[in-house]
Amino acid sequence: GAGVSQSPSNKVTEKGKDVELRCDPISGHTALYWYRQSLGQGLEFLIYFQGNSAPDKSGLPSDRFSAERTGGSVSTLTIQRTQQEDSAVYLCAEGQPNYGYTFGSGTRLTVV
Amino acid sequence: AQKVTQAQTEISVVEKEDVTLDCVYETRDTTYYLFWYKQPPSGELVFLIRRNSFDEQNEISGRYSWNFQKSTSSFNFTITASQVVDSAVYFCALSEARRAGTALIFGKGTTLSVSS
Repeated sequence: GAGVSQSPSNKVTEKGKDVELRCDPISGHTALYWYRQSLGQGLEFLIYFQGNSAPDKSGLPSDRFSAERTGGSVSTLTIQRTQQEDSAVYLCAEGQPNYGYTFGSGTRLTVV
Repeated sequence: AQKVTQAQTEISVVEKEDVTLDCVYETRDTTYYLFWYKQPPSGELVFLIRRNSFDEQNEISGRYSWNFQKSTSSFNFTITASQVVDSAVYFCALSEARRAGTALIFGKGTTLSVSS
């Protein structure tokens, strides 16, 4: 069925470690997006994929952040050398403006 | 550049009051889409409405209604007879339709608290 699955739902990591967040857009839309929501803040756009390529990486906050998508489906957001300011909920979405967007439940990342 | 402004950070009302959440947007495109999402305390984003730039008809869905006015670049959301379950953060968002896969740009959200 339709939907976006994200894993893990919660992740606690030590400062300086790398983390990988996974997004599985079950319904298979070609467009996939990553957003970050820091505590009490709105949703900040990070990166967009069309198929396996990322035409828009403008929102990635630093070179510690990277993302890839394989097979036009699963996407992984990697944060290297995590910092405390990386603590946030990371949301994945699929869709297009004329069809609408479906969001996953997010991964809550806590860097201690 | 595109931008969405939700000037109201927090609103508190008592049950059965009507409440309007404001949304003002900026875009240079003539074709765009506007959205409202609800984020309850559980955290998931719940889609409420999508409206394209060529459709200025107001919409009503139960206790919810939306007023889209291109002349003022606003897309306001009204909850009639609010209920405690309406307590959530509400986000307005904009997507330009220049190409497929355009990302949603969100406002900072309005936190609505409805007390009994």
